[in-house]
Amino acid sequence: EPEVTQTPSHQVTQMGQEVILRCVPISNHLYFYWYRQILGQKVEFLVSFYNNEISEKSEIFDDQFSVERPDGSNFTLKIRSTKLEDSAMYFCASSQTGVETQYFGPGTRLLVL
Amino acid sequence: KNEVEQSPQNLTAQEGEFITINCSYSVGISALHWLQQHPGGGIVSLFMLSSGKKKHGRLIATINIQEKHSSLHITASHPRDSAVYICAVIRGSQGNLIFGKGTKLSVKP
Repeated sequence: EPEVTQTPSHQVTQMGQEVILRCVPISNHLYFYWYRQILGQKVEFLVSFYNNEISEKSEIFDDQFSVERPDGSNFTLKIRSTKLEDSAMYFCASSQTGVETQYFGPGTRLLVL
Repeated sequence: KNEVEQSPQNLTAQEGEFITINCSYSVGISALHWLQQHPGGGIVSLFMLSSGKKKHGRLIATINIQEKHSSLHITASHPRDSAVYICAVIRGSQGNLIFGKGTKLSVKP
């Protein structure tokens, strides 16, 4: 069964460093999402991406964040200058249309020291 | 105020019990997801529904659009059902989800 994959599974970084989180969505899906979950809190929407551009973003997704689909398979989230409060689990998800089941990747646990 | 409210926050049940988790939302939605999150953190979609009722194995999900309310039922609960169950709603056509805080279910043998 097709699945969404994410790399790395864990990342530890120093405050102020740039990180890139990678996702490979399911191949025939057209809508891509990043969510994050701070430890002990609910999952929060960051950004949605369709037709090679951001379709919607939350207030969390400020200028420090960017997304890219550099080729036909990868979907990346870049945090330009990490802060302590960026420590969280980051989930990538994809769906075929905007109102269909979303398939989640296993997550990347980011720890900023 | 959260746009998506779940109850209860925590639920402990004995194996075999019938379980109900409730979700209320305060915004207009296109559809609603029920998701399962295991202790390792992975999230799996159980149901997506926009009206009526869906059933998959021992799981049943219902939604009442007029009352802005959905329920997830688990029949004949089993310890392997222990997880966090999350209600999330879709607003608009882009699919981004607004999540509830989740219900932590523990089923004792």
